[in-house]
Amino acid sequence: KQEVTQIPAALSVPEGENLVLNCSFTDSAIYNLQWFRQDPGKGLTSLLLIQSSQREQTSGRLNASLDKSSGRSTLYIAASQPGDSATYLCAPTRGAGSYQLTFGKGTKLSVIP
Amino acid sequence: GAVVSQHPSRVICKSGTSVKIECRSLDFQATTMFWYRQFPKQSLMLMATSNEGSKATYEQGVEKDKFLINHASLTLSTLTVTSAHPEDSSFYICSAQPGLATRSYEQYFGPGTRLTVT
Repeated sequence: KQEVTQIPAALSVPEGENLVLNCSFTDSAIYNLQWFRQDPGKGLTSLLLIQSSQREQTSGRLNASLDKSSGRSTLYIAASQPGDSATYLCAPTRGAGSYQLTFGKGTKLSVIP
Repeated sequence: GAVVSQHPSRVICKSGTSVKIECRSLDFQATTMFWYRQFPKQSLMLMATSNEGSKATYEQGVEKDKFLINHASLTLSTLTVTSAHPEDSSFYICSAQPGLATRSYEQYFGPGTRLTVT
């Protein structure tokens, strides 16, 4: 059974700071891993998808890395802005043969102006 | 692109009634759709996986007779909560996956439906 842990659970940083969110998962036989953001009371917005064969993906100020063998992924946010405040969710696929996602509890990010 | 809608966004119903939630992929065909529920301050829990034209596969502990899922077309899936009870109150979110047609297994999520059972 895939289990996902996200550290820290909450993070507060001043505007402009670079930050790293961590995700670890127990079953490394994944197809891919997605990072999402969720604003309060809203659905999920997909940020990045990393295929199991990839090491990293970049989109704007976001960079996600994947170390499948050690069961780790990080999301790097550069030059944080107040609009980045949200909960960030890491979701690897379950394991061999499954495209279903397993979610961590998320990291709640607050960027202080 | 890759927009998924849900309707309604909020619904309040009385205990014992049934509620239907629709999930539509607006600009792509979804081979597979997923239904999740999320309790306050908790993560998303997968309820079921549905493939177009097939019966849904339910996660352990999810009552298939209570949460009826229909995936009648490549752009529409519905979740019906039957005989709703207050403990069914939750945030329900669907996602859609293009799948084999485009070789994309990325999931695109709807905006969610807040169900309150009184």
